[in-house]
Amino acid sequence: AQKVTQAQTEISVVEKEDVTLDCVYETRDTTYYLFWYKQPPSGELVFLIRRNSFDEQNEISGRYSWNFQKSTSSFNFTITASQVVDSAVYFCALSEITGNQFYFGTGTSLTVIP
Amino acid sequence: NAGVTQTPKFRILKIGQSMTLQCAQDMNHNYMYWYRQDPGMGLKLIYYSVGAGITDKGEVPNGYNVSRSTTEDFPLRLELAAPSQTSVYFCASRGLDRGDSPLHFGNGTRLTVT
Repeated sequence: AQKVTQAQTEISVVEKEDVTLDCVYETRDTTYYLFWYKQPPSGELVFLIRRNSFDEQNEISGRYSWNFQKSTSSFNFTITASQVVDSAVYFCALSEITGNQFYFGTGTSLTVIP
Repeated sequence: NAGVTQTPKFRILKIGQSMTLQCAQDMNHNYMYWYRQDPGMGLKLIYYSVGAGITDKGEVPNGYNVSRSTTEDFPLRLELAAPSQTSVYFCASRGLDRGDSPLHFGNGTRLTVT
């Protein structure tokens, strides 16, 4: 069973629009960790944020914000006032405390049109 | 601090040839991973290691082999290259026993098998 689902395959927005990338996860662990990674066109994978399952506070970092809701098993990522440099593939990932593996979603490709 | 270093960056193989993708990290991380990334398919785990001398299969291990003789190095071996192994390969590492430790990725190796 897929543990991390990113239903949005591709999204296009016009510069300065807000955009939300969805991430839904599945786990039986009560303690787990969620991550977002960015993969720009240059290809490297860049760590953006992690969240513990017992900390449901939303987080804001500049134009980026993350909304974690255990009730809906979601960890969504919002970019406010998008910029061309935000164009990338974004991956959501889950790490369970009982295992050694990371589970990645299939990624959402975001294109910001100038 | 180099982080995770992968070599080579690009390689073209003929069907049936063999090669080793090199991965080294200088962060003293116990956990190391090999992923492959196919277009639109996200990241799939090939093999991982929780420490020197210990390796385990991931989701797509067929056609690959690994070894972990030192903490720093985690090479990936392709014995009989096939077109299905055309992909971008990422090596990653994470710290010891910390479920919230993010993966640190290398810059990837783009492999084409023709």
